[in-house]
Amino acid sequence: GNSVTQMEGPVTLSEEAFLTINCTYTATGYPSLFWYVQYPGEGLQLLLKATKADDKGSNKGFEATYRKETTSFHLEKGSVQVSDSAVYFCALFNNDMRFGAGTRLTVKP
Amino acid sequence: GAVVSQHPSWVICKSGTSVKIECRSLDFQATTMFWYRQFPKQSLMLMATSNEGSKATYEQGVEKDKFLINHASLTLSTLTVTSAHPEDSSFYICSAYGTGGFYEQYFGPGTRLTVT
Repeated sequence: GNSVTQMEGPVTLSEEAFLTINCTYTATGYPSLFWYVQYPGEGLQLLLKATKADDKGSNKGFEATYRKETTSFHLEKGSVQVSDSAVYFCALFNNDMRFGAGTRLTVKP
Repeated sequence: GAVVSQHPSWVICKSGTSVKIECRSLDFQATTMFWYRQFPKQSLMLMATSNEGSKATYEQGVEKDKFLINHASLTLSTLTVTSAHPEDSSFYICSAYGTGGFYEQYFGPGTRLTVT
């Protein structure tokens, strides 16, 4: 079946630090991959997506590359800000959406 | 962009009563809507997929008689938690998948249900 395994948190970083949140998936066929962000007290928002192998999704300084050979979609940002503090979910769509467990990121000034 | 609303945003009910949660796509038609449940500090768990005009498809382990889903129109799906119990307390989130043919869902803000 389809599933997503995401790096467990919580992750605490200082402002301007480099961020990596690992995500690997298991799926049949060719799924689309997503990163969603959930800010405190809010609903999920799409951060970025990639629909085929080698695609790179990017938004707000975040990037993730769809790696079919390693079945991964790791999220990266070169310099995090306090406002990036949120829970990040990796997700896969293959007829329906499957989410990873979420990684809570806290960025300290 | 596409907006999905949920009503109510939070509800408290007594054990044994039923609660209805509405999910609406405000500016697009949603042929498919999904209902998720999110426990504190955990991920979203897909409960069911509802297609307009047909019966919902429930995930394994989700009681269809307890969680009634109706998708009567292209802009409205409802989830009714029947005979609610404290263990049903959770955050319920809906999402809508449009007719645009792209693999993207728009999420509602969620409904927090507390059963006392």
